Amino acid sequence: QKEVEQNSGPLSVPEGAIASLNCTYSDRVSQSFFWYRQYSGKSPELIMSIYSNGDKEDGRFTAQLNKASQYVSLLIRDSQPSDSATYLCAVRFGNEKLTFGTGTRLTIIP
Amino acid sequence: GAVVSQHPSRVICKSGTSVKIECRSLDFQATTMFWYRQFPKQSLMLMATSNEGSKATYEQGVEKDKFLINHASLTLSTLTVTSAHPEDSSFYICSARKGQGSNLYNQPQHFGDGTRLSIL
Repeated sequence: QKEVEQNSGPLSVPEGAIASLNCTYSDRVSQSFFWYRQYSGKSPELIMSIYSNGDKEDGRFTAQLNKASQYVSLLIRDSQPSDSATYLCAVRFGNEKLTFGTGTRLTIIP
Repeated sequence: GAVVSQHPSRVICKSGTSVKIECRSLDFQATTMFWYRQFPKQSLMLMATSNEGSKATYEQGVEKDKFLINHASLTLSTLTVTSAHPEDSSFYICSARKGQGSNLYNQPQHFGDGTRLSIL
């Protein structure tokens, strides 16, 4: 069974620090990886996608992918209180539908 | 951009009512749309995958006669909760994916704002 695993948290990070969110997945054939942010009571919104090994940066966000170790991570630099949310890791196995992790709840402490 | 519009945002109705939720991709064609349900403090649960012009594929345990899905065009899918009961109260979210053929694998899913359904 293809699975995506995340630490549910809560993860508390001081304002201005780097928040590090991790995700592991079960299938080496996976090609596409996505990070979504979901505020309480709202729907998920796409933050980043990554397809190749290495780092991908977009503003304060950096996604890191290591296919050999089957993990993908999201770093948030200069964390702000507005970053407090649940972060969902999603993996597409082959050409199938996305499989979501259960999410990590992040709290940025002012 | 990739905007997905979902209506209504909130529905409160009596038990036994049927409720229709619309999901539209505003600036792209969505060959595939997805319907999710989410209970408070729980993760997204995929209910069904909807492909334009064909029958939806339902996940195990989801009653297809209860949750009717129609994907009549490349920009519109609807979910109808038939004879809704209080246990159907939940947050329903649609999602759409653009792209066809070989580049489908690298396309993200874009979510609507969700519909909060409350059955009294």
